[in-house]
Amino acid sequence: DAKTTQPNSMESNEEEPVHLPCNHSTISGTDYIHWYRQLPSQGPEYVIHGLTSNVNNRMASLAIAEDRKSSTLILHRATLRDAAVYYCILSQAGNTPLVFGKGTRLSVIA
Amino acid sequence: EAGVTQFPSHSVIEKGQTVTLRCDPISGHDNLYWYRRVMGKEIKFLLHFVKESKQDESGMPNNRFLAERTGGTYSTLKVQPAELEDSGVYFCASSHYSGAREQYFGPGTRLTVT
Repeated sequence: DAKTTQPNSMESNEEEPVHLPCNHSTISGTDYIHWYRQLPSQGPEYVIHGLTSNVNNRMASLAIAEDRKSSTLILHRATLRDAAVYYCILSQAGNTPLVFGKGTRLSVIA
Repeated sequence: EAGVTQFPSHSVIEKGQTVTLRCDPISGHDNLYWYRRVMGKEIKFLLHFVKESKQDESGMPNNRFLAERTGGTYSTLKVQPAELEDSGVYFCASSHYSGAREQYFGPGTRLTVT
């Protein structure tokens, strides 16, 4: 699977939008972009995934660059409960093992 | 609908002992995965079941680890004998149909080998 690069940490104020970047310059045409997050003392949690078009769900939005070499996870209004490690993961097929990197640790300040 | 459950939540054993971890996936999920995070490292894949069959066990570290999924429902991961470097958090995840992109994780079992 292609490699992703994320900042080690980011900080946000509560109730403000958060843009979490991910670079994946070696992405292949069949790689889907997945985001998971891990809250403290919990297992990873699926957030969103996409292939080419931007995606929205109840948790977040995923903006994918036109060349697909980068993407951004958008939390529209950060809450204290959004403090977690966010992982950007590429995967070609469904039902394949996830390859976790170090992710981005998001801190939310009240 | 109940989520993925794991038992125990925490296990402390001595080096050389045996420990069995259990995972109950979401009902109806054919795919079951084991992952682990050892101290200071990233979460790593261990193996993948499709129903009762091992689809991919390329991540199993050595033959001290044995995973089973009899009947295609719950799964167990046995470590025998446990070594100090086995300490970490073991996660189980499940997903539904072929091609599903969402994996649902359990809370993990924290294993401490002393």
